[in-house]
Amino acid sequence: EDQVTQSPEALRLQEGESSSLNCSYTVSGLRGLFWYRQDPGKGPEFLFTLYSAGEEKEKERLKATLTKKESFLHITAPKPEDSATYLCAVHRIEDSSYKLIFGSGTRLLVRP
Amino acid sequence: DSGVTQTPKHLITATGQRVTLRCSPRSGDLSVYWYQQSLDQGLQFLIQYYNGEERAKGNILERFSAQQFPDLHSELNLSSLELGDSALYFCASSVEGQLNTEAFFGQGTRLTVV
Repeated sequence: EDQVTQSPEALRLQEGESSSLNCSYTVSGLRGLFWYRQDPGKGPEFLFTLYSAGEEKEKERLKATLTKKESFLHITAPKPEDSATYLCAVHRIEDSSYKLIFGSGTRLLVRP
Repeated sequence: DSGVTQTPKHLITATGQRVTLRCSPRSGDLSVYWYQQSLDQGLQFLIQYYNGEERAKGNILERFSAQQFPDLHSELNLSSLELGDSALYFCASSVEGQLNTEAFFGQGTRLTVV
């Protein structure tokens, strides 16, 4: 069964304290892995897409990496405005359908 | 602002009723996706339309239905509502039918069934 697991469920950091979020997945026919950021009461905001193992992408203080079984979202020197829930999702082709399978997210709180 | 517009933002209704949620995709996007987000289930894919035709179905209940109109806006119809249908409903759109490119999400409709 397709599964996406994110850890930790919640993470509290001091401003400037770097850390990593994990997304492990078990899907067949992976086409891509997506990272989204979601603020409370808002829709998910696209961050990155990764397509193959070894791929890395960066945006400001965020860096996403992908292996065959998991992805990491590294946050370097976070700021309070980075506080949000970070969602990981995988895209696989199932028959003729296209759908995203989301993990339950990591709630990040960055304290000043 | 993602460019995806959802209305209404909030909806409160009683059990057994029927509601319609509306989504206008980003300009140029042909695909519309509907997702349900509840506290205990996370984001669940419901259904996808591409250029007016149903492309994929996820965990959508038989009481729910959707359609995409010629102007590409989409509506999600929820009927015989139950308390458990209370959730945030998101619409997303992308350029093509494939999710190789990023999907952009609207701000959601918060449905409360009382």
